[in-house]
Amino acid sequence: EPEVTQTPSHQVTQMGQEVILRCVPISNHLYFYWYRQILGQKVEFLVSFYNNEISEKSEIFDDQFSVERPDGSNFTLKIRSTKLEDSAMYFCASSEAGAPNTEAFFGQGTRLTVV
Amino acid sequence: LAKTTQPISMDSYEGQEVNITCSHNNIATNDYITWYQQFPSQGPRFIIQGYKTKVTNEVASLFIPADRKSSTLSLPRVSLSDTAVYYCLVGAYNTDKLIFGTGTRLQVFP
Repeated sequence: EPEVTQTPSHQVTQMGQEVILRCVPISNHLYFYWYRQILGQKVEFLVSFYNNEISEKSEIFDDQFSVERPDGSNFTLKIRSTKLEDSAMYFCASSEAGAPNTEAFFGQGTRLTVV
Repeated sequence: LAKTTQPISMDSYEGQEVNITCSHNNIATNDYITWYQQFPSQGPRFIIQGYKTKVTNEVASLFIPADRKSSTLSLPRVSLSDTAVYYCLVGAYNTDKLIFGTGTRLQVFP
């Protein structure tokens, strides 16, 4: 079965540092997403990406965050200057069509710890 | 986006059928109903999706009454490995995002 892969599985970084989380979506999918889940809380939408541009973003996705699809296979989330409250599991997802009305495939996540 | 309400937690025993009901009173005409499952420290996994009546796959069944204001996810003969959080989502066709609620934490006992 095709799957979304994320690297690294764990990342520890110091406050104020930049981090890049990487994802390889399923190859024929057109929609890409980042979600995050703070320990013990809900899965929260961050951003969706379609046709090489952001299609939607949440209020969480402020100027500290950016996404990129640099080479047609990878999809990255960059956090420019990490804060303690950015500590969470970050999930990448992809889908053939817009997520609410089709199946979205999630990766296993990257656990980001900001110290 | 339609708001969903589902029980916070449910307990069951191995071999039993589990039914989790979700209410979505303000579902829109074009909205589909989707259920996801999440194990600890893993990403959500799609279980089933439907628009009306009944949908069945190899994992679960989804029952949707005519008014579509609620839906019931049915898991036949659960096992310990079905212990997870189950999310009911109702999505609009004109948005790309999935909105997860707090879900239903299902605990299956031996």
